[in-house]
Amino acid sequence: NAGVTQTPKFQVLKTGQSMTLQCAQDMNHEYMSWYRQDPGMGLRLIHYSVGAGITDQGEVPNGYNVSRSTTEDFPLRLLSAAPSQTSVYFCASSSSGLSSTDTQYFGPGTRLTVL
Amino acid sequence: AQSVAQPEDQVNVAEGNPLTVKCTYSVSGNPYLFWYVQYPNRGLQFLLKYITGDNLVKGSYGFEAEFNKSQTSFHLKKPSALVSDSALYFCAVRPTDSWGKLQFGAGTQVVVTP
Repeated sequence: NAGVTQTPKFQVLKTGQSMTLQCAQDMNHEYMSWYRQDPGMGLRLIHYSVGAGITDQGEVPNGYNVSRSTTEDFPLRLLSAAPSQTSVYFCASSSSGLSSTDTQYFGPGTRLTVL
Repeated sequence: AQSVAQPEDQVNVAEGNPLTVKCTYSVSGNPYLFWYVQYPNRGLQFLLKYITGDNLVKGSYGFEAEFNKSQTSFHLKKPSALVSDSALYFCAVRPTDSWGKLQFGAGTQVVVTP
């Protein structure tokens, strides 16, 4: 199993550009989520999904869109990049969000810089 | 609202000495508590979790954590630190009525010197 994979590893954007961060998992997990990591702030939840076709907002959703057309994939879209979105983005998955005891598995991250 | 506090930005310890990383939480109801570790330029790796039962939880790489309900704490411990334990450690809490919404602390950098 590859686990949780993310592409690209690094990205530099100009203000106003759009892009999609890709996330895929091969563990047949129902629950997937996106976090951003900023120094001194830990990880903050952006969006999450409890299954294909179902998404919801997390703590910091503004400026980001998600969709979940398949169980495996959960892309994160930046509609119009801003310098405040410079961060490291992590995708995570677990077998079921319904069971809060499930361990979340994290991808390796995407380091995004917006100029 | 739930929250997690890791009061120390950095913990320095000599190799072979005991290591403690502190975590306190605030959440309504009973919490599920987690510790994750992040090595440089890597994603987070699960260390251990407390769900219910024995307050002392044993996890990966020789780490353990003690749940203290009265003090709302979940401190991470290792009896004898290794240089390879140097990493960023995150405490996280999830309320029992939450659909997978982990609340993370700000993280504690652990530096183990030879």
